[in-house]
Amino acid sequence: QSALTQPRSVSGSLGQSVTISCTGTSSDVGGYNYVSWYQQHPGKAPKLIIYDVTKRPSGVPDHFSGSKSGNTASLTISGLQAEDEADYYCCSYAGTYTWVFGGGTKLTVL
Amino acid sequence: QVQLVQSGAEVRRPGASVKVSCKASGYTFSSSDINWVRQASGQGLEWIGWMNPNNGNTGYAQKFQGRVTMTRDTSITTAYMELSSLRFEDTAVYYCARGKVWFDPWGQGTLVSVSS
Repeated sequence: QSALTQPRSVSGSLGQSVTISCTGTSSDVGGYNYVSWYQQHPGKAPKLIIYDVTKRPSGVPDHFSGSKSGNTASLTISGLQAEDEADYYCCSYAGTYTWVFGGGTKLTVL
Repeated sequence: QVQLVQSGAEVRRPGASVKVSCKASGYTFSSSDINWVRQASGQGLEWIGWMNPNNGNTGYAQKFQGRVTMTRDTSITTAYMELSSLRFEDTAVYYCARGKVWFDPWGQGTLVSVSS
């Protein structure tokens, strides 16, 4: 499977909103509502922040939200905070019990 | 709390094998799949495969078919990932993560270095 396509980097100022896209195909992102997003700070393990396209696990702040249109999923972070600066990865079910990650996006909070 | 604790860093020669362990606690081990994901330095996440601890069923990414084996020991709630015929490009941090459709939580990671 090919990795899902994410922008290598995005940036935003404190308090602003940013959206990170995750583009796949009809065989993965577009074919299933099984997109999840992970936040990874340097030197740390990834942390689940969105699952099933739009759902937030308990304890994840509500300024993280997810959506999907066609073959593209998106993660929106509103009201940017300094601690949101991290790498973000999308992941999608790709059929036949396989999963595929995006290449990752580095978020810089200005 | 749900926790996955992985074994320590490993160094191997090219062509050798490595077996990484992932001890689960805080939940019923057999109730959730364990997935393995790796990350080379400065690179993105790469999904390796999954294992169902209840019945031992597995599924692997095509890239790793024939080189990876995932097993478990339910008596000690531990999952294992063995990668054989190691190459320099297998140098990475290997993570285990609980879940079938999404992955939560993740282990702390195990650095596997392949060096001659």
